[in-house]
Amino acid sequence: ETGVTQSPTHLIKTRGQQVTLRCSSQSGHNTVSWYQQALGQGPQFIFQYYREEENGRGNFPPRFSGLQFPNYSSELNVNALELDDSALYLCASSLPVGANVLTFGAGSRLTVL
Amino acid sequence: AQSVTQLDSQVPVFEEAPVELRCNYSSSVSVYLFWYVQYPNQGLQLLLKYLSGSTLVESINGFEAEFNKSQTSFHLRKPSVHISDTAEYFCAVTEDTGRRALTFGSGTRLQVQP
Repeated sequence: ETGVTQSPTHLIKTRGQQVTLRCSSQSGHNTVSWYQQALGQGPQFIFQYYREEENGRGNFPPRFSGLQFPNYSSELNVNALELDDSALYLCASSLPVGANVLTFGAGSRLTVL
Repeated sequence: AQSVTQLDSQVPVFEEAPVELRCNYSSSVSVYLFWYVQYPNQGLQLLLKYLSGSTLVESINGFEAEFNKSQTSFHLRKPSVHISDTAEYFCAVTEDTGRRALTFGSGTRLQVQP
């Protein structure tokens, strides 16, 4: 059983650029969520995807967008990067029914200069 | 809206001593509660969860947590810690509404000293 894999593991961008982060869900999981973890803080919910549609969103601006593909993998896109977007971005997958148990990937660390 | 408060940002403790990491939550509906552990430069790993039933839940590596509805708490305990338990611990809550968005606390850094 494969876990949640994320790429890239680290990347550096400059303010105003755009970034795409990728996530492959755990085998059998068809729901994907994205979280932002700033340094020294707990993760914050960005949004969740189920059946290729956004199924819930946290308090993040529209320049944070996502996609889910038929194989349940997902992308997080961030446009017009700001310095405060520097963080660890965590992807988590889960089953659509039953208890709310998420399996997290190791994350993508984004640094915005 | 739900919220989680982890009262201690850092907890230093000597090896083989007991430890308690405190977590309080706020919600107007039924909740599910979780503890996740994060080792340096890694993602989050589920440590234990309370979904229903027995209010005392245990993990495979000796941690336990007790759901106290009246005090809205879900404190994490271990009777004897090891150096390898050094990590960041996050308490999280989600409401029993079908959505899976977790609300996390700010984390507690457990530092086990020899």
